[in-house]
Amino acid sequence: DADVTQTPRNRITKTGKRIMLECSQTKGHDRMYWYRQDPGLGLRLIYYSFDVKDINKGEISDGYSVSRQAQAKFSLSLESAIPNQTALYFCATNQNGRVDTQYFGPGTRLTVL
Amino acid sequence: AQTVTQSQPEMSVQEAETVTLSCTYDTSESDYYLFWYKQPPSRQMILVIRQEAYKQQNATENRFSVNFQKAAKSFSLKISDSQLGDAAMYFCAPPRDKVIFGPGTSLSVIP
Repeated sequence: DADVTQTPRNRITKTGKRIMLECSQTKGHDRMYWYRQDPGLGLRLIYYSFDVKDINKGEISDGYSVSRQAQAKFSLSLESAIPNQTALYFCATNQNGRVDTQYFGPGTRLTVL
Repeated sequence: AQTVTQSQPEMSVQEAETVTLSCTYDTSESDYYLFWYKQPPSRQMILVIRQEAYKQQNATENRFSVNFQKAAKSFSLKISDSQLGDAAMYFCAPPRDKVIFGPGTSLSVIP
């Protein structure tokens, strides 16, 4: 089984809908991250969490919220989706951001019409 | 603010040749790690190589090696004997608790 899983893998939705992307990890890591990938812009950090009680905004948190339900689960929500949130979303995890490899989920392709 | 620069948005290399992808970064840290990740068309992010800043020796992983110049804050990735499977986006990740990535370099391998 994959160490980091994301659901759904693909989603098409309409403007104004609420969307939740879920991430689960079996690595036992404390740190979890949500990134957004757009062509030509690389990966941009949306939110990150160093443990269940510690959640921080990244570069582009506007329009997004997160929930760390447990050490292994970190969800990203779009309260009211808009077309410019169409992107590829990645969840990642590691134990220590400075020194450890990040383990990525397979990504969620989100399209907002 | 943390800055990461990958100055080559796109590069191409002939199969079996060598290519170098550049990355420069900004940090005030003295002891840290640097990473290169690869994203093939499957879109899965994969670690390519990791460099420990306090080590003098450049990291090597099979056909992949780095040229790490700490004073210049430069961390380039060299791919030797390029293979078709090396075609991918390559991202540099510099030292930071909240891991930030460079914008990426798209590498094409020409048969």
